[in-house]
Amino acid sequence: DTAVSQTPKYLVTQMGNDKSIKCEQNLGHDTMYWYKQDSKKFLKIMFSYNNKELIINETVPNRFSPKSPDKAHLNLHINSLELGDSAVYFCASSRHGLPSSYEQYFGPGTRLTVT
Amino acid sequence: GENVEQHPSTLSVQEGDSAVIKCTYSDSASNYFPWYKQELGKRPQLIIDIRSNVGEKKDQRIAVTLNKTAKHFSLHITETQPEDSAVYFCAARAGNQFYFGTGTSLTVIP
Repeated sequence: DTAVSQTPKYLVTQMGNDKSIKCEQNLGHDTMYWYKQDSKKFLKIMFSYNNKELIINETVPNRFSPKSPDKAHLNLHINSLELGDSAVYFCASSRHGLPSSYEQYFGPGTRLTVT
Repeated sequence: GENVEQHPSTLSVQEGDSAVIKCTYSDSASNYFPWYKQELGKRPQLIIDIRSNVGEKKDQRIAVTLNKTAKHFSLHITETQPEDSAVYFCAARAGNQFYFGTGTSLTVIP
């Protein structure tokens, strides 16, 4: 009955590789997000996406791309991985528009280590 | 866009004392203000939230206050316990976007 799930939990890879992180939510939410949390614990928004709109943080390199096969999934693809990409990546979801339900819930995180 | 500032970055209190974390925001369109607790190696967990039409909300030992005019909101934890030790994040929601503060590392000393 996990609300927001991510796979894998840990990902170790070499520079230059391409990798993907998967996210699924079973809350019926219509908006999903990807955040990057660096070693200083800052939570930085990378993308938000619903079936109408993709909002990209302009500081995110275009090596990162979100892909959503349906409303319940938002995967993160990363091309040509760099050392600086090492971080914990969190997926999250929320419901847009309904004032009675603004909450955002996070997945367990994926710790990415680039060597 | 919205800018959320959070202070202090670190906070140490004795067990049983109160802890207060403060945040300011810039966008008057922000209408929802959640607080998250993140324990080491875990995901951020929503602990309390407040909407823009409410000035104060309390849930047992935690409370949040909101001053819309001054654009600031605060988290208050009373009778702190060692298990309250974690990183706390404030956030502001404007439209469909959440903007996070930089976090406060709270240590409760037994």
